[in-house]
Amino acid sequence: GQQLNQSPQSMFIQEGEDVSMNCTSSSIFNTWLWYKQDPGEGPVLLIALYKAGELTSNGRLTAQFGITRKDSFLNISASIPSDVGIYFCAGRIGQGAQKLVFGQGTRLTINP
Amino acid sequence: EAGVVQSPRYKIIEKKQPVAFWCNPISGHNTLYWYRQNLGQGPELLIRYENEEAVDDSQLPKDRFSAERLKGVDSTLKIQPAELGDSAVYLCASSLGQLFDTDTQYFGPGTRLTVL
Repeated sequence: GQQLNQSPQSMFIQEGEDVSMNCTSSSIFNTWLWYKQDPGEGPVLLIALYKAGELTSNGRLTAQFGITRKDSFLNISASIPSDVGIYFCAGRIGQGAQKLVFGQGTRLTINP
Repeated sequence: EAGVVQSPRYKIIEKKQPVAFWCNPISGHNTLYWYRQNLGQGPELLIRYENEEAVDDSQLPKDRFSAERLKGVDSTLKIQPAELGDSAVYLCASSLGQLFDTDTQYFGPGTRLTVL
């Protein structure tokens, strides 16, 4: 089945630093999504990417849909304490919301 | 607007016991999903409903898991009997269900199941 390889698995950074994480797959996806999950909560959508090569920003977050449609990255600039959490990439198979395949997650820890 | 509601939030049971989880999706959302999230992993789809119909249950272990979505609104996921390996967070999500790439899944807080 489809698998997404997300890296790094964890990051320990200082407040104010920039963060970069990525996701790769052997399969082609027509949509890439980035979610954040806080402890005890469900994932919350941060950014959605719908076209190969697309670069999208949401505040301090920037994500890109790879040209090959097999990868995506997420950058967070000037990290703040509330950025702590687990970030998941997800690829969508088929049209609409038919099926999401999630990566293993990147756990972000910020030292104040 | 209320989000996806799940209950209970936590459940601890002994193996071989039955357990049920309940989900109330966002009002007006036709599509409902149940995911399982193992520790340190991303969510994995168990079953997807379009209104009352289960349109994708290929990942649901049907020997012990069952689900229903009567009247196309609330849904219940059941495990009987539970096994140690079923310990996980069970997430419910809903979406409008439009066949467009911009349709967004909204997740509930999940039910954390511990099987002893």
